[in-house]
Amino acid sequence: GAGVSQSPRYKVAKRGQDVALRCDPISGHVSLFWYQQALGQGPEFLTYFQNEAQLDKSGLPSDRFFAERPEGSVSTLKIQRTQQEDSAVYLCASSLEEGQLNTEAFFGQGTRLTVV
Amino acid sequence: AQSVTQLDSHVSVSEGTPVLLRCNYSSSYSPSLFWYVQHPNKGLQLLLKYTSAATLVKGINGFEAEFKKSETSFHLTKPSAHMSDAAEYFCVVIHSSYKLIFGSGTRLLVRP
Repeated sequence: GAGVSQSPRYKVAKRGQDVALRCDPISGHVSLFWYQQALGQGPEFLTYFQNEAQLDKSGLPSDRFFAERPEGSVSTLKIQRTQQEDSAVYLCASSLEEGQLNTEAFFGQGTRLTVV
Repeated sequence: AQSVTQLDSHVSVSEGTPVLLRCNYSSSYSPSLFWYVQHPNKGLQLLLKYTSAATLVKGINGFEAEFKKSETSFHLTKPSAHMSDAAEYFCVVIHSSYKLIFGSGTRLLVRP
């Protein structure tokens, strides 16, 4: 595709509901990242995949958050038993090569999650 | 640990006047620094990056930034603001070669 695609663009969930957020990276991109952006703040790192391997999940806020990229392409971020503090924009980014030093990360438009 | 501090949450300029968005960094070694722009309902876009080559870095849309080690700064500038520059700007440092650490952002307002 032309860019990183995320779906849904908007999601309203009742507290306690499970949600799944999808990211379609640019075809052929090795690296995939998830970030969380709270209202009025800068994005914060959640997790990093290199192909299908999850190399860093240190930013996931709790064990209710789970991310996967089983075939090294599409990724899903799942949040179980959503809480109000999970309300944020979830951003996905992909880059052609490993890491970020010698390549550019392209971001999707994000999924805005509102937990009510 | 690396971090960045954006000194202004909001900056307002008139169209055609210079833009200065300030960023200070903290790093135990020579950092790689970026500026990203976020327009409403659009994804974050890379404006420019510094990776220890030339200290004056030119980016897209007429923006540039200068890395000053003595001042631990990486301020973003543009000689003449355009209405389309109105957006949120983030100063970013990279950690462990892949993790982007974002500042809190500066919202640029451009008055006609």
